[in-house]
Amino acid sequence: GENVEQHPSTLSVQEGDSAVIKCTYSDSASNYFPWYKQELGKRPQLIIDIRSNVGEKKDQRIAVTLNKTAKHFSLHITETQPEDSAVYFCAADGGYNKLIFGAGTRLAVHP
Amino acid sequence: DAGVIQSPRHEVTEMGQEVTLRCKPISGHDYLFWYRQTMMRGLELLIYFNNNVPIDDSGMPEDRFSAKMPNASFSTLKIQPSEPRDSAVYFCASSAGLGTGELFFGEGSRLTVL
Repeated sequence: GENVEQHPSTLSVQEGDSAVIKCTYSDSASNYFPWYKQELGKRPQLIIDIRSNVGEKKDQRIAVTLNKTAKHFSLHITETQPEDSAVYFCAADGGYNKLIFGAGTRLAVHP
Repeated sequence: DAGVIQSPRHEVTEMGQEVTLRCKPISGHDYLFWYRQTMMRGLELLIYFNNNVPIDDSGMPEDRFSAKMPNASFSTLKIQPSEPRDSAVYFCASSAGLGTGELFFGEGSRLTVL
């Protein structure tokens, strides 16, 4: 089955800097790759997703890139703000409409 | 719609007791998922349903765990007997199918087994 690895596990940046989180997946049949943000004590919420027919997708300060050949995808956050501090999860579809999540990255943005 | 609704939000119980967690998915969503979140193991998929039918329960840790979905608007996750290692946050989520995108999570049920 699908396996998703995520790095780094923790990331600390200064406000205004960029943050990059990387994920790799194992199943070449996967074609849907969402990113979820989970604030402390809250539920995970979708922030951006990408499908395999697209190499890059942007939404304001957030972008995701996908390299299907290498089986990896990345989340890029530019001009980070304190409210970006959260745990970020990547995921890949494991077939039959189920999502397999990475272990998460705890991002801390320091003012 | 009020979103995915889970109850209870917090449960503290003693080892050996039965625990039942409840979930009401978003109306019209065909898929319902149960995830468990711990610091050590992250978000683990336990089981999911499509149109009330269990599709994949390979993530259920052992026979102490069971899940049902008697109708389109209600699902339960039961642990009997509970053990301290079951302590975690249990999330229910629903979607209209990943072909349409988003998985909507409930607020979670934080379980503590003493």
